[in-house]
Formats: sequence, structure tokens, C-alpha cells
Amino acid sequence: GENVEQHPSTLSVQEGDSAVIKCTYSDSASNYFPWYKQELGKGPQLIIDIRSNVGEKKDQRIAVTLNKTAKHFSLHITETQPEDSAVYFCAAPGSPFGNEKLTFGTGTRLTIIP
Amino acid sequence: EAEVAQSPRYKITEKSQAVAFWCDPISGHATLYWYRQILGQGPELLVQFQDESVVDDSQLPKDRFSAERLKGVDSTLKIQPAELGDSAMYLCASRPDPGTGSYEQYFGPGTRLTVT
Repeated sequence: GENVEQHPSTLSVQEGDSAVIKCTYSDSASNYFPWYKQELGKGPQLIIDIRSNVGEKKDQRIAVTLNKTAKHFSLHITETQPEDSAVYFCAAPGSPFGNEKLTFGTGTRLTIIP
Repeated sequence: EAEVAQSPRYKITEKSQAVAFWCDPISGHATLYWYRQILGQGPELLVQFQDESVVDDSQLPKDRFSAERLKGVDSTLKIQPAELGDSAMYLCASRPDPGTGSYEQYFGPGTRLTVT
């Protein structure tokens, strides 16, 4: 099955600075890579995803990059704001089809320091 | 905006007792997932349904856990008997038809289970 590793486990960033979270995956068949944000007491919510036919995707202050050769993908948050404080999870499906089950990373607790 | 509903939000039970969680997915979502999330870790899939059929339950501890989705809409996850190690957040998620081109899983707020 798929194995997803995520680093760092905790990250503190000054408000306005950038934050980067990295994940590696093991199954070369994976072709869909989502990032979820989980706030306290809530379920995870998708913030951005990328498919293997592109190397980068942006949505306002959030971007994801993918390196299929190295089997890693990263989440980039620029101009961080207090509301970005949360736990972030990466995931991969371990198959060519995103409708298969997702294997999640262990999470990164991001704290934005005002 | 449509949301995945779960109840109860919190449940405290004694070990060896039975406990049940309910999930109502977003209308029209044929695929439903139950995940278990231990504090400080990512969600781990317990069971996946396509309509009323189980697609994957390889990680479901079948000696004590059961899941059903009788009419292919809402779903129930049961634990009997509960053990101390079952304390976790139980998340339900649903996904639109793959034909839509979306792979996004929509999560409910979860049920936090504490076994004493």
C-alpha cells in the first residue's frame, strides 16, 4: 500500500512570512495529491489538490508543487495570516485513480505568530 | 452549502459497552468513507462504501467493528465491545461521482469517542 511521510510535524511562522510543508509518497501509481486543513473540533477540509499531469498549481496565497520523479509534493502558503493556524494533512491514493482510498500523512501543526 | 452530517458529536462510553455512530453524506454522493483519527495522527480508512456495497474494509477490525449502509444513503458504524484503544475521532466523508471529475472527499465534523 501507499506510505506517506510528512514534515515538519510542527511549524511556527511570523505573520506575513511564508510556510512550506513537504510530503513524500511511495507508490509511483499515485496521480492525485490533495492537501487538507483541519481546524480544532472540525473535520478536514480540502484546500488545494494537484494531479500528476502538472507540476504546480496556485490558488491565491496557496500553492502546491509536485515532483513525480522524486515522489514528493509540497504545500506553500505565502503572506500567512492568523487564520492559517491549523493542522495540515497531505494525502495520496496509491493508485492511478483518485477515487480509491487516501493514505494521509501524520499532519503538520502550523502556528502563525502575530 | 451541503454538508456531511454526523451524530453524536461526542460520546463517552465504558469499555465493553456497545456504541454506534451515524453519518448522512451529501445528497447524491454514492461513495462514503469511515475514518478513524487518533489524536496527533492523520485519518486512517476503516471502510469504504459504493452505494450500499462495501468496497474496502481491509482495515476494519471485524471482530468488534461493523458498518452498514442499507439503502445506499446514510450509514452506521458500530463498535461492540468498545475497548480503551478505540478512543479517537471517527470521521465520515463522502465523494461525488467520479464522472464529475472531482476526487474531493467532503468530511463531516466527526464523533469524538472516549472509552473509559
